[in-house]
Amino acid sequence: ETGVTQSPTHLIKTRGQQVTLRCSSQSGHNTVSWYQQALGQGPQFIFQYYREEENGRGNFPPRFSGLQFPNYSSELNVNALELDDSALYLCASSVASGGWETQYFGPGTRLLVL
Amino acid sequence: KQEVTQIPAALSVPEGENLVLNCSFTDSAIYNLQWFRQDPGKGLTSLLLIQSSQREQTSGRLNASLDKSSGRSTLYIAASQPGDSATYLCAVPNSGGSNYKLTFGKGTLLTVNP
Repeated sequence: ETGVTQSPTHLIKTRGQQVTLRCSSQSGHNTVSWYQQALGQGPQFIFQYYREEENGRGNFPPRFSGLQFPNYSSELNVNALELDDSALYLCASSVASGGWETQYFGPGTRLLVL
Repeated sequence: KQEVTQIPAALSVPEGENLVLNCSFTDSAIYNLQWFRQDPGKGLTSLLLIQSSQREQTSGRLNASLDKSSGRSTLYIAASQPGDSATYLCAVPNSGGSNYKLTFGKGTLLTVNP
């Protein structure tokens, strides 16, 4: 157990809808990253938040957005869902300390877009 | 742009066999390399993290090596067990020095047969 939790575990949406996924970071971690993992692929970096500000973004369109709250929990929002958004969404928390720190991953949310 | 490749894509072995999983990366300016395990439909569990200054890292029956100059890492699993069956992913962080973005390979699906 990493201490990182995600909700919901599974979700089914239809094309065009909006979805919000949630992540609760490990205690004391001030950084959260989100990844998308399509079936049979490695996780792809979406973005990272550090102290409530976006701290880096991968090759994902603006309809993917996020929030980090003062208690360091986080949300991933996806608007105008497309079929290709079907994937496992993983969040990972870490402590930013000027170097590289291990990221601890949650169990993921499985999103299916019909 | 960093690219990570894992070979083989799938591997099936009888219980008790020793095995090696391979990971290669295109940009050798990495801070570390991390090996993860992923059970079907689940999140990622960190197995080993090798710092760029290290050559090897060991945990129980697992041994990971790193050769930065050749852009390669191997994960050696000794005396494999059916419980080792999972997908194994390697990942490297971006070389910019900030604490974000892991680039993953697609993984090796390992099946250990009783």
